[in-house]
Amino acid sequence: AQSVSQHNHHVILSEAASLELGCNYSYGGTVNLFWYVQYPGQHLQLLLKYFSGDPLVKGIKGFEAEFIKSKFSFNLRKPSVQWSDTAEYFCAVIIDQTGANNLFFGTGTRLTVIP
Amino acid sequence: DAGVIQSPRHEVTEMGQEVTLRCKPISGHNSLFWYRQTMMRGLELLIYFNNNVPIDDSGMPEDRFSAKMPNASFSTLKIQPSEPRDSAVYFCASSFRSWTTNEKLFFGSGTQLSVL
Repeated sequence: AQSVSQHNHHVILSEAASLELGCNYSYGGTVNLFWYVQYPGQHLQLLLKYFSGDPLVKGIKGFEAEFIKSKFSFNLRKPSVQWSDTAEYFCAVIIDQTGANNLFFGTGTRLTVIP
Repeated sequence: DAGVIQSPRHEVTEMGQEVTLRCKPISGHNSLFWYRQTMMRGLELLIYFNNNVPIDDSGMPEDRFSAKMPNASFSTLKIQPSEPRDSAVYFCASSFRSWTTNEKLFFGSGTQLSVL
């Protein structure tokens, strides 16, 4: 069965530390990849997405993610986190199976940034 | 807990027909969200409920869309009449929202809607 794994359930960092959140998927075919963020008291919003082309994708607020096909990974990175990055981060994958779009979410990673 | 349960998993209908999507949130959660996912626009929030009351429905695209939450354990999203451009995956999510705890969303597996 296809799945999306976010192994880090809760990450705690100090401000200015570098961030990397892991995301792995289990599907050998064509995928589209997303990272969403949910700030406290707010709704999901799109951070970045990968459809094709350059596997290093830059998103909003200084975030980037790299698609490594051989590792089935799409890890989210930020060189220097801020307190305002405290949020829940979701990785999501669309699997293209005979034209049907199937979106799978990871279970989310909570990031807490300490001032 | 079985998680957020959505039905049906797939729905294929003809233009003009009424479509009803169903969601059972996680027991104890007080917030419920309906999202729509398309390739072009990504994930869009349609409406969310808190304690069964619709709080924000500004994302509902048109009057053809309506959502109800008659009790804490059930919600429906209805499209009448349906149109081909409504074809998408519709997600329901639930959470426990309070002033003192961090909120975490739990998603259902989605309903793939195809309007022919």
